[in-house]
Amino acid sequence: SQQGEEDPQALSIQEGENATMNCSYKTSINNLQWYRQNSGRGLVHLILIRSNEREKHSGRLRVTLDTSKKSSSLLITASRAADTASYFCARGEGMRFGAGTRLTVKP
Amino acid sequence: KAGVTQTPRYLIKTRGQQVTLSCSPISGHRSVSWYQQTPGQGLQFLFEYFSETQRNKGNFPGRFSGRQFSNSRSEMNVSTLELGDSALYLCASSPPPGQGRVHGYTFGSGTRLTVV
Repeated sequence: SQQGEEDPQALSIQEGENATMNCSYKTSINNLQWYRQNSGRGLVHLILIRSNEREKHSGRLRVTLDTSKKSSSLLITASRAADTASYFCARGEGMRFGAGTRLTVKP
Repeated sequence: KAGVTQTPRYLIKTRGQQVTLSCSPISGHRSVSWYQQTPGQGLQFLFEYFSETQRNKGNFPGRFSGRQFSNSRSEMNVSTLELGDSALYLCASSPPPGQGRVHGYTFGSGTRLTVV
């Protein structure tokens, strides 16, 4: 399979805490993307990191990529209740997704 | 600009029937991908179209088919519906790569299909 695989499957934290979720993949990639999905809705693109990048920031989001370990992580700092959603990673070509991480941020 | 439009939003069909779902990508986007999302299987890739040609296909039976028109609008068809086809079907569009840039995909809100 060439899917991205996220872990943990579910994560529950308090508002204000940081949330970290991970993504592993099996084959070489040109880029990796993270998406968010609110319950029952379409996915929203969060951030794209290229294979020659090691870290990328967007607001409260920080993504790292370790191509030697074929893994990426998404860090959400100072989480808010509105961050409650499922988060998915997708390998660039073909855009294959894993099962996602279900994040719950409690107020 | 308008986002990705999927119609209908909700659909109820009976086993054995066939269904056609529609996706209108963002203007200027030529790539359209389809996904099936179920609670048990997560997001499964169905197929991708670019300039009216199927460029990629997932591991779904032949009952699942699609096409893309010259205006980049896409349709997917499921024949001989089964209960297990009940799912949220998502469509995503992307602009053609330009100057070596890769863009994120824009997803529609999906069509929720229920097979009874």
